[in-house]
Amino acid sequence: QQQVKQSPQSLIVQKGGISIINCAYENTAFDYFPWYQQFPGKGPALLIAIRPDVSEKKEGRFTISFNKSAKQFSLHIMDSQPGDSATYFCAASLYSGTYKYIFGTGTRLKVLA
Amino acid sequence: IAGITQAPTSQILAAGRRMTLRCTQDMRHNAMYWYRQDLGLGLRLIHYSNTAGTTGKGEVPDGYSVSRANTDDFPLTLASAVPSQTSVYFCASSDSGASNEQFFGPGTRLTVL
Repeated sequence: QQQVKQSPQSLIVQKGGISIINCAYENTAFDYFPWYQQFPGKGPALLIAIRPDVSEKKEGRFTISFNKSAKQFSLHIMDSQPGDSATYFCAASLYSGTYKYIFGTGTRLKVLA
Repeated sequence: IAGITQAPTSQILAAGRRMTLRCTQDMRHNAMYWYRQDLGLGLRLIHYSNTAGTTGKGEVPDGYSVSRANTDDFPLTLASAVPSQTSVYFCASSDSGASNEQFFGPGTRLTVL
């Protein structure tokens, strides 16, 4: 019930294309859904996040789409650039004194120049 | 520079040895976390601390211990390392009163032989 399933495991996109990464969760009590971006040799960093009371959030080229009834959310990267090549993790969190994250297994994105 | 520091950057350790991974933050965040990152498994929470003086178990706490004597430091100890503890370890912190964002350190790559 605590799992977050992420797909695909890896993704190759041409420069200028759209990258789409999907996540699904089981626990309906989750109330915060962030996406983290990680470059090789670095720690993850927050990219964008959404709460379940909205269906979409956009920040620049990055958009989260959230489907509460399906318990799914996705990251869309528009006009993908080689600099977007990184590993992306979705997460879901639940408050119990602090927000503890359950992370997906990650998607390695490569954007071809 | 504000942020999280981790030490050592990497370590090779013989099985059965004791090891402490260090984590220090200067953002005065009340919550801190330890994760391990393994290929195909994403990031998994080992232990966390909501505030100085308190700690809690995450998804994979066995074989690890933590302490939180003050706000800034959150060391992770492997009492008797085993090869399955070979991983990249990330420390993170958050100000749970202000936002849910977790800030990650640069990681420690640990190899147990």
